[in-house]
Amino acid sequence: DAGVIQSPRHEVTEMGQEVTLRCKPISGHDYLFWYRQTMMRGLELLIYFNNNVPIDDSGMPEDRFSAKMPNASFSTLKIQPSEPRDSAVYFCASSLWGTGYTFGSGTRLTVV
Amino acid sequence: SQKIEQNSEALNIQEGKTATLTCNYTNYSPAYLQWYRQDPGRGPVFLLLIRENEKEKRKERLKVTFDTTLKQSLFHITASQPADSATYLCALADNQAGTALIFGKGTTLSVSS
Repeated sequence: DAGVIQSPRHEVTEMGQEVTLRCKPISGHDYLFWYRQTMMRGLELLIYFNNNVPIDDSGMPEDRFSAKMPNASFSTLKIQPSEPRDSAVYFCASSLWGTGYTFGSGTRLTVV
Repeated sequence: SQKIEQNSEALNIQEGKTATLTCNYTNYSPAYLQWYRQDPGRGPVFLLLIRENEKEKRKERLKVTFDTTLKQSLFHITASQPADSATYLCALADNQAGTALIFGKGTTLSVSS
């Protein structure tokens, strides 16, 4: 298995633009998580899905953030409009219930 | 308030020694606790999981303990090597909050030869 695949690896965008981050989880995993990592706040949970259904989105900072999981093999995290304070590394992870998470390599987002 | 605290200061040890990292939590009731390793520019990698009814777990040179009375987990790396240098993250799944892991900020370990 190629692991959790995220794209793009790096994204530089201007303030106000729409940004879409993509994730392909490990086949067979029924949980998918989106985290954001910064030096100040560490790894923060944004949202997670179980069997493609969003379970908890209380970590999504604002209405500017949205996430979808249209099928078991694909998820997106969208920021519209983006702001400089959204600059961070965004990780996607997948797992089976009660097991360790497999993280992707992350997307480093810079909003200028 | 709820907190997960790991040593914010970096831990520097000599090769061959045992590294001990601490994770303390407040106002959580963990179903289980996990430890991850993160290298610069990479995603966290799962190392070990320990459940609330387990005291200790081992995997090769790694050992994790879990004390629900002290609200603490200790992570040990025996016979440490320079290749063990990384940031180690503690994470827990709260019984009350559901299944998503909540992470500490990590402790950076540096092993010198």
